[in-house]
Amino acid sequence: SQQGEEDPQALSIQEGENATMNCSYKTSINNLQWYRQNSGRGLVHLILIRSNEREKHSGRLRVTLDTSKKSSSLLITASRAADTASYFCATVVTQGGSEKLVFGKGMKLTVNP
Amino acid sequence: SQTIHQWPATLVQPVGSPLSLECTVEGTSNPNLYWYRQAAGRGLQLLFYSVGIGQISSEVPQNLSASRPQDRQFILSSKKLLLSDSGFYLCAWRPWHGRRDNEQFFGPGTRLTVL
Repeated sequence: SQQGEEDPQALSIQEGENATMNCSYKTSINNLQWYRQNSGRGLVHLILIRSNEREKHSGRLRVTLDTSKKSSSLLITASRAADTASYFCATVVTQGGSEKLVFGKGMKLTVNP
Repeated sequence: SQTIHQWPATLVQPVGSPLSLECTVEGTSNPNLYWYRQAAGRGLQLLFYSVGIGQISSEVPQNLSASRPQDRQFILSSKKLLLSDSGFYLCAWRPWHGRRDNEQFFGPGTRLTVL
């Protein structure tokens, strides 16, 4: 079942601009994670924010989490052409005593040089 | 450092043929292992996960199966492929040691085309 939903589904910007991606989820979470996928490649973990955190930074990445609205945003500042990729949010869902990572459908970011 | 390998990288198979995709992890012990499928332009669908040798949990009923014959080896199989099995298959692992973060590390993927 779908837990995270990224918005927008596709975004095209110019190099140097900021890119903001949003993610909404349905159930309570321990943490929310963002991953990046270059075309035809595996996913790479970018950043994790815990449920008791509201904002987190890593280099040009800034993640916010609003548990009351069940939403998160990923901001990439001063974007580069190399940031072109698909971005996924993922949350942990506990089912039958096991914890699984459930991914959204992803958002395709294109950064034009 | 830990690394994860998948092979083959690409595969073209006829409908009804068998399938075997392999995933191995190096540099860690007793990892949790996962198989995902990603259809074109879609998110990831969890197919199987394993918390130990011989322990497989299936998420979606289908004609695929998984096995874990060794601690760091995870195999995805099918006896007869369907057209709908085409997609990008990703293997992932995470440490077993009870971290609550659940961060997963992905392999490079296998592109499967069933004709």
